[in-house]
Amino acid sequence: KAGVTQTPRYLIKTRGQQVTLSCSPISGHRSVSWYQQTPGQGLQFLFEYFSETQRNKGNFPGRFSGRQFSNSRSEMNVSTLELGDSALYLCASSFGGSPTGELFFGEGSRLTVL
Amino acid sequence: TQLLEQSPQFLSIQEGENLTVYCNSSSVFSSLQWYRQEPGEGPVLLVTVVTGGEVKKLKRLTFQFGDARKDSSLHITAAQPGDTGLYLCAGVSRGGSNYKLTFGKGTLLTVNP
Repeated sequence: KAGVTQTPRYLIKTRGQQVTLSCSPISGHRSVSWYQQTPGQGLQFLFEYFSETQRNKGNFPGRFSGRQFSNSRSEMNVSTLELGDSALYLCASSFGGSPTGELFFGEGSRLTVL
Repeated sequence: TQLLEQSPQFLSIQEGENLTVYCNSSSVFSSLQWYRQEPGEGPVLLVTVVTGGEVKKLKRLTFQFGDARKDSSLHITAAQPGDTGLYLCAGVSRGGSNYKLTFGKGTLLTVNP
């Protein structure tokens, strides 16, 4: 069973640019969540999509957005990049209906903003 | 805002030693998960504990959920270099038909041969 696939794995951008990250969940999983991981703040929840609808949202500015397609694949976009956006962005998929909420993570996309 | 505090933040030990990692909160969770993250990879689920007072064992790893479902611990016996990684706890809370995960900042464990 293929795992969660994230692309690209590494990318370097400059301040003011925008970036789009992609996530393909495990087959059959309908929920996709996005997290930002930094050494200082740990894992912080960005948003969750379920059946193409944003179901939950964390406390990030509007520069961070996402969407989910009918095949459950998801993308997140960060506009007007800032130095502080440098982080590992993790995507996690799940069935979406599990009461214990187990998540299956991808390997992440490491973004460096110069 | 629900917070999960993990301690210690960093832990460096020799192979064969025992260790305990703690995850504490003032909030009650419906369940709690432990993940391990190795360098360059995403977190991988180790265990989910659901019932207050529950103890689960995974080979040399023992997980315990507090009676009040506010805290948890992870005990590793005879640590090995392969146990090296970032250990994350995550509390699960329910809101209607949805659930929310709150992650601690993690304990970075290094086991030296």
